[in-house]
Amino acid sequence: GQQVMQIPQYQHVQEGEDFTTYCNSSTTLSNIQWYKQRPGGHPVFLIQLVKSGEVKKQKRLTFQFGEAKKNSSLHITATQTTDVGTYFCAAGYGGSQGNLIFGKGTKLSVKP
Amino acid sequence: EADIYQTPRYLVIGTGKKITLECSQTMGHDKMYWYQQDPGMELHLIHYSYGVNSTEKGDLSSESTVSRIRTEHFPLTLESARPSHTSQYLCASSPLSSRGTQYFGPGTRLTVL
Repeated sequence: GQQVMQIPQYQHVQEGEDFTTYCNSSTTLSNIQWYKQRPGGHPVFLIQLVKSGEVKKQKRLTFQFGEAKKNSSLHITATQTTDVGTYFCAAGYGGSQGNLIFGKGTKLSVKP
Repeated sequence: EADIYQTPRYLVIGTGKKITLECSQTMGHDKMYWYQQDPGMELHLIHYSYGVNSTEKGDLSSESTVSRIRTEHFPLTLESARPSHTSQYLCASSPLSSRGTQYFGPGTRLTVL
């Protein structure tokens, strides 16, 4: 079946450092979504990217969709302790009833 | 905040017991899902449904079963719980489209002794 690779699996940063997680698919995506799961919580939707080369920003978070629509990244500038959690990408391959395929997630820890 | 509910939130039960995890949503979403997740780890899709009377198995084989008699309700049942079933179970719902956002419930943390 279709798979989406997400790296790194873990990232430990000092507060104030930047952080990036990447998702890659071997086939063209229809769309990609990003979710955040706080420790002990459930995944919460952050954003969806649909267009080739699309870039969206949410405060210190920048989301990019590759030109070929096969990869995406989430970049956090100047991390804070509130950014701690696991970030999942979720790939959509199109079709009226297709499921999202979730990456394995990147677990971010931030040292104050 | 999305309106999707799961009960119980925590369950500790002995081996061999039958359990049902409840999930309800009030958003009128056609699609519903069950995921199994060990803390902080990847999400494993175990069941999903396109609508009433539709149930499909997910990517991860599971001994659990599901039913969808009403749009808003998608319970998961384990006929005979085992320690290997200890995990967190997350329910989610979304519109039919593959571009639909998934809304997750708070989860049920199951421990089988």
